[in-house]
Amino acid sequence: QVQLQQSGAELAKPGSSVKISCKASGYTFTSYYISWIKQTTGQGLEYIGYINTGSGGTNYNEKFKGKATLTVDKSSSTAFMQLSSLTPDDSAVYYCAAMGIFDYWGQGVMVTVSS
Amino acid sequence: DIQMTQSPPVLSASVGDRVTLSCKASQNINKNLDWYQQKHGEAPKLLIYYTNNLQTGIPSRFSGSGSGTDYTLTISSLQPEDVATYYCYQYNSGWTFGGGTKLELK
Repeated sequence: QVQLQQSGAELAKPGSSVKISCKASGYTFTSYYISWIKQTTGQGLEYIGYINTGSGGTNYNEKFKGKATLTVDKSSSTAFMQLSSLTPDDSAVYYCAAMGIFDYWGQGVMVTVSS
Repeated sequence: DIQMTQSPPVLSASVGDRVTLSCKASQNINKNLDWYQQKHGEAPKLLIYYTNNLQTGIPSRFSGSGSGTDYTLTISSLQPEDVATYYCYQYNSGWTFGGGTKLELK
């Protein structure tokens, strides 16, 4: 069955970086883009950007340019998102998803930024 | 940036009620709008795509409509399992989610 399996929860210090993974299985990885979405209690759902899993091309929400870097490893069917220069405002649950009619989502990763 | 405003923020309704959730865009989004349902502790799930197309496996009591800046999700007969938060999402220009409508049972 189709699955997007995300890595585990992260506790990070302000100013550091984290890299979250999203491993796909059960379908041809390069057939669907992977999107990343941030969810907080205060700001709700925010779209970060997507990566073309075939070409590696990316497209970011302006708000997240410089904050998020999306990459992909086709050999392992895994997408990654690195978040840099972390602040407490980056504390959130982050989802990867193959959005649209295909509609599969990871289980979400909680990132907590605290000193 | 396109802003998406959902109303009401919280809606209490009874089983069997017809429920209407609204989503208003700050500019014309040309029907490029999806609706998602998110239950507590779960990832969002696509209900309706491109304004009025029912996603596979979603019960027919869910329907969507709208055009221009105004869009609606309707549940024809509310069921207990419909308790969730509902989000609209536009992808006409950039990508924006609405703030959500939390649907509760009365």
